[in-house]
Amino acid sequence: EAGVAQSPRYKIIEKRQSVAFWCNPISGHATLYWYQQILGQGPKLLIQFQNNGVVDDSQLPKDRFSAERLKGVDSTLKIQPAKLEDSAVYLCASSLELRGLGEQYFGPGTRLTVT
Amino acid sequence: GQSLEQPSEVTAVEGAIVQINCTYQTSGFYGLSWYQQHDGGAPTFLSYNGLDGLEETGRFSSFLSRSDSYGYLLLQELQMKDSASYYCAVRSRDDKIIFGKGTRLHILP
Repeated sequence: EAGVAQSPRYKIIEKRQSVAFWCNPISGHATLYWYQQILGQGPKLLIQFQNNGVVDDSQLPKDRFSAERLKGVDSTLKIQPAKLEDSAVYLCASSLELRGLGEQYFGPGTRLTVT
Repeated sequence: GQSLEQPSEVTAVEGAIVQINCTYQTSGFYGLSWYQQHDGGAPTFLSYNGLDGLEETGRFSSFLSRSDSYGYLLLQELQMKDSASYYCAVRSRDDKIIFGKGTRLHILP
């Protein structure tokens, strides 16, 4: 079974530039999550989708971050414009169902550096 | 607010047993999960407690007591490869997912 795929793995941009991350979840997984993990901290949920609907985006900075999952499969997360404090690893995860056994499968992440 | 508290670091000896605690303040949740994360890697799922009590998976066990707002992860027969960060996490009744700040486990030979 293929795991969660993310690209790119690394990205360096200057502040005020835009960046986009892509995620393809495990086949058949209805729920998809985007997390931000700052060095030395736990993952912080930005947004979670159930199929192509948003379940929770309460911690997504909507003035600069946006995410979509148009066909209920893969997803993109965009930052526009980026700030220095956005430097972090962006993790995508998926799970078979919304409120199952708590098991999320994480992708390798995208390490973003904003200079 | 809702929060999960874990010790920031724990040190143990190879072959020993270690317990990582997680106390929480949340109005209600579906269950408590545990994840392991090695440096530079992604979190990997270890265990889930939907009900009170002990769940055992090989060398790892996890416990939940909703009445005490407390859970723990127990690692037995520690190996050097268990050196990692460990996170507890919950999904609240209003579908918000909260991770603890993580416990860094150091294992001494």
